[in-house]
Amino acid sequence: EAQVTQNPRYLITVTGKKLTVTCSQNMNHEYMSWYRQDPGLGLRQIYYSMNVEVTDKGDVPEGYKVSRKEKRNFPLILESPSPNQTSLYFCASSSSGTGGEGYTFGSGTRLTVV
Amino acid sequence: DAKTTQPPSMDCAEGRAANLPCNHSTISGNEYVYWYRQIHSQGPQYIIHGLKNNETNEMASLIITEDRKSSTLILPHATLRDTAVYYCIVPGGTSYGKLTFGQGTILTVHP
Repeated sequence: EAQVTQNPRYLITVTGKKLTVTCSQNMNHEYMSWYRQDPGLGLRQIYYSMNVEVTDKGDVPEGYKVSRKEKRNFPLILESPSPNQTSLYFCASSSSGTGGEGYTFGSGTRLTVV
Repeated sequence: DAKTTQPPSMDCAEGRAANLPCNHSTISGNEYVYWYRQIHSQGPQYIIHGLKNNETNEMASLIITEDRKSSTLILPHATLRDTAVYYCIVPGGTSYGKLTFGQGTILTVHP
């Protein structure tokens, strides 16, 4: 089944403790992206990648890092999480940066930083 | 991305057609219109996209006006499970890779 898999689904962590949210897709998509969703602010793009070793900032990249060492994986790294990064995170992939046949989104990771 | 404007909310009776409008008056000639929906905190789901011609798939139909400045997503027989936030998006060529979600339309399907 074609899908984007995020892990973990839920995570509670403490301020300053480094964490990684994994994202993997099995569709051989070149384009991958991370979003966060907050009440009243909607979905905002954090980082995106147009291919292996090619990444760029979205609208809210501060406090996040990403890497794209292989095509299928696009982990989101929070080096020193803070409470304002408490949010619902989504990973997405597509065959094209403009959408292609549509983005496929993961099921989400709900992160709480205390 | 071209700016899109959608009504904040709409209601529809179960079994009836839901027609969701979107204005995208600044759309360029080679930009597609995409529709997604998000059902309560789930990942957004792709519905349909189009350029000029009307499109139909198993989920919905997309009607794009001749001048391409607006479009309508049609759910022909809405069910309670269609209750969701619907997003109309026009990814722009100059912002390749960036996909901007607006506030969307909250569609409520009631019995």
